Amino acid sequence: GENVEQHPSTLSVQEGDSAVIKCTYSDSASNYFPWYKQELGKRPQLIIDIRSNVGEKKDQRIAVTLNKTAKHFSLHITETQPEDSAVYFCAASKAEYGNKLVFGAGTILRVKS
Amino acid sequence: DTAVSQTPKYLVTQMGNDKSIKCEQNLGHDTMYWYKQDSKKFLKIMFSYNNKELIINETVPNRFSPKSPDKAHLNLHINSLELGDSAVYFCASSQWDESDEQYFGPGTRLTVT
Repeated sequence: GENVEQHPSTLSVQEGDSAVIKCTYSDSASNYFPWYKQELGKRPQLIIDIRSNVGEKKDQRIAVTLNKTAKHFSLHITETQPEDSAVYFCAASKAEYGNKLVFGAGTILRVKS
Repeated sequence: DTAVSQTPKYLVTQMGNDKSIKCEQNLGHDTMYWYKQDSKKFLKIMFSYNNKELIINETVPNRFSPKSPDKAHLNLHINSLELGDSAVYFCASSQWDESDEQYFGPGTRLTVT
């Protein structure tokens, strides 16, 4: 089955700097790659997603890149702010099996002001 | 107007008891899921239902029994609770044919003593 690895497990950056979180997946049939943000005690919430027919997607300070050949995708946050501090999860799924999301282990992002 | 709701939010119980968690979504989605988040924040799918039909059952002990009375509800019943069942349980929903965002409920923190 699908396996998703996520790095780093923790990331500390200074406010205003950029943060990059990387994930690799094992199943080449996976075609949907969302990123979720989870604040302490809250539910995971989608912040951006990308499908396998696209190489890059951007939404304001957040961007995701996908390399299907290498089977990895990355989350880029620019101009980080203290409110970006949270746990970030990458995930992978494929439509033909009920859209089951396989999550990475998560990255704790701390933005220091 | 909550999209995905769960009850209860907190559940503290003793080993050996039986308990249920309820989930409801008002998004008109046809697919619902249960995820377990352990103490290390790892999110793992347990079950998925599409139009009241079980689609995914991820090697979960048969003490866990999901029930979907209709496509807007997915409940989770747990028999003979064990210490290792302590976790946060998240319900989620999405539309089957869109390989799209899964909306998560607020979670139920289960503590087994």
